[in-house]
Amino acid sequence: LAKTTQPISMDSYEGQEVNITCSHNNIATNDYITWYQQFPSQGPRFIIQGYKTKVTNEVASLFIPADRKSSTLSLPRVSLSDTAVYYCLVGDYLNNAGNMLTFGGGTRLMVKP
Amino acid sequence: EAGVTQFPSHSVIEKGQTVTLRCDPISGHDNLYWYRRVMGKEIKFLLHFVKESKQDESGMPNNRFLAERTGGTYSTLKVQPAELEDSGVYFCASSHGLSPFGTDTQYFGPGTRLTVL
Repeated sequence: LAKTTQPISMDSYEGQEVNITCSHNNIATNDYITWYQQFPSQGPRFIIQGYKTKVTNEVASLFIPADRKSSTLSLPRVSLSDTAVYYCLVGDYLNNAGNMLTFGGGTRLMVKP
Repeated sequence: EAGVTQFPSHSVIEKGQTVTLRCDPISGHDNLYWYRRVMGKEIKFLLHFVKESKQDESGMPNNRFLAERTGGTYSTLKVQPAELEDSGVYFCASSHGLSPFGTDTQYFGPGTRLTVL
């Protein structure tokens, strides 16, 4: 399984754009990149998933360069409620449905007023 | 649509006792997973059911842990006898399986916080 590395913590202010970068140097050809968000006392929540280039949904954008060795989760105009831990995961979720998720330490985002 | 639910939300037991955690997946989801986070550590996979069958139980720590999913609906995770190191948060997740539109997504429940004294 590809190992992921992401910052332990980040601080931001309300209204700012937050970019969290994750490195996954040994990502495999069939691997997808998935981000989860976790609030205190809750389970992880799926945010976004991508394979290459850019993916955007109503919550976030995911930027993946051509070499796919890293990815950046972009949260536009964060609010206090975006304070959470964000996990970057890499795995073959297409050809191996039911593949276990491997969580790292995540990035603890603190949004300040 | 109801999400993944887990019961109880908290459980405090003494070392040596037995505890049973329950997970109700999203209706129609064949895949059910158990994960846990022990104090200060990362979330770790325990096992995976496809319907009522155990597909992968490589993450189960030892034979004090028994997971079942009779009828392929809800699942239970029993710890017997509980030890101090079993304290942590136990998460359940479910997924539909391979989708013709893309990859599989796991949806997590709120977790059960287990404290063994």
